[in-house]
Amino acid sequence: DAKTTQPPSMDCAEGRAANLPCNHSTISGNEYVYWYRQIHSQGPQYIIHGLKNNETNEMASLIITEDRKSSTLILPHATLRDTAVYYCIVRTTSGTYKYIFGTGTRLKVLA
Amino acid sequence: KAGVTQTPRYLIKTRGQQVTLSCSPISGHRSVSWYQQTPGQGLQFLFEYFSETQRNKGNFPGRFSGRQFSNSRSEMNVSTLELGDSALYLCASSYAGTVNTEAFFGQGTRLTVV
Repeated sequence: DAKTTQPPSMDCAEGRAANLPCNHSTISGNEYVYWYRQIHSQGPQYIIHGLKNNETNEMASLIITEDRKSSTLILPHATLRDTAVYYCIVRTTSGTYKYIFGTGTRLKVLA
Repeated sequence: KAGVTQTPRYLIKTRGQQVTLSCSPISGHRSVSWYQQTPGQGLQFLFEYFSETQRNKGNFPGRFSGRQFSNSRSEMNVSTLELGDSALYLCASSYAGTVNTEAFFGQGTRLTVV
């Protein structure tokens, strides 16, 4: 089972920051948080990942709480092309080398 | 740098037939994973290969199999197709497949079983 909990849907106005929350209260100390998004039936697109420190790249920022039980993906200036399903995944270190996807958050960016 | 390439993009097969899907990973990537996506079950892990060895397998029947070649290209095979096998099949590649290396997905092969 997925180790994350996300709201099923969110709306965001175009040009505003989109803040997507994720709960992972059972995360272990050496497990990473990954974010992917999937735009209508395309393959999931990698966004960002992190362990404990906040991370930023050209697409987004990832803020992980100090206790690591939750995180937030921030898209700083959402555009219509950011409308997608966003998946937050805890990557296990158990050696299974797989992603366990939950149901994700369907983000709709409104014009 | 070319991304992950999956062929074919679309496929229609009849119940009882078998099918082979192909995945060419990003150059230099040695780990290839396969996922099945259906509206009812979402994205589910099938199996992962690294350097021609299957490292892990998901909870799918033995009709689903795969292999990886020395150039890291991978194929998955589904025998005795059932209607429920209709899905988007996704391949993902990563350099090492470890917990700290991200995977990149292809566009998928949409299989329809009639």
